[in-house]
Amino acid sequence: DSGVTQTPKHLITATGQRVTLRCSPRSGDLSVYWYQQSLDQGLQFLIQYYNGEERAKGNILERFSAQQFPDLHSELNLSSLELGDSALYFCASSVGRWAEETQYFGPGTRLLVL
Amino acid sequence: GENVEQHPSTLSVQEGDSAVIKCTYSDSASNYFPWYKQELGKRPQLIIDIRSNVGEKKDQRIAVTLNKTAKHFSLHITETQPEDSAVYFCAALTMDSSYKLIFGSGTRLLVRP
Repeated sequence: DSGVTQTPKHLITATGQRVTLRCSPRSGDLSVYWYQQSLDQGLQFLIQYYNGEERAKGNILERFSAQQFPDLHSELNLSSLELGDSALYFCASSVGRWAEETQYFGPGTRLLVL
Repeated sequence: GENVEQHPSTLSVQEGDSAVIKCTYSDSASNYFPWYKQELGKRPQLIIDIRSNVGEKKDQRIAVTLNKTAKHFSLHITETQPEDSAVYFCAALTMDSSYKLIFGSGTRLLVRP
């Protein structure tokens, strides 16, 4: 157990819908990272937040947005969902702002868009 | 853009043999290279990492080597065991357009008993 929690574990929804994925970092960690893992694909970095502020951005679609709240939990919002958005979404956390610090991954949320 | 290539995509070895996975990266400014192990249905877990100021790092049966000139790094697992069976991902920290980890596409390692 890494100490990073994610909810929900599974999510099934329809195209065009909007969902929110939630992540709580390890106690004391200030950075949260979001990754997308499609079937048979590697991990694609989406976005990083550090202490409430956006720190780095990857190939995150405009339909996707994220935020980090004062209690440091983070939410990833996916809207106008398409079939291709079906994937495993991981969040990770680290102590500081630097991406080369050890990132601890949560258990993931498996999203299926029908 | 930034890219990390990983080979092979699948690797099958006999228990006790060694396994080697290789990665190349494109951003010459990269200075941090972690390796993650992901068991089926589980989260990725960091198993070893290396920074650009060293050429090799070892942790028990696992070692990583880095060649900055050639921009490639490798994971070596010796005396493989069935519990080593998993998908292994390499990554490189890129500072090109955004400060982030770029992951390879993964290697599925199968250790045959």
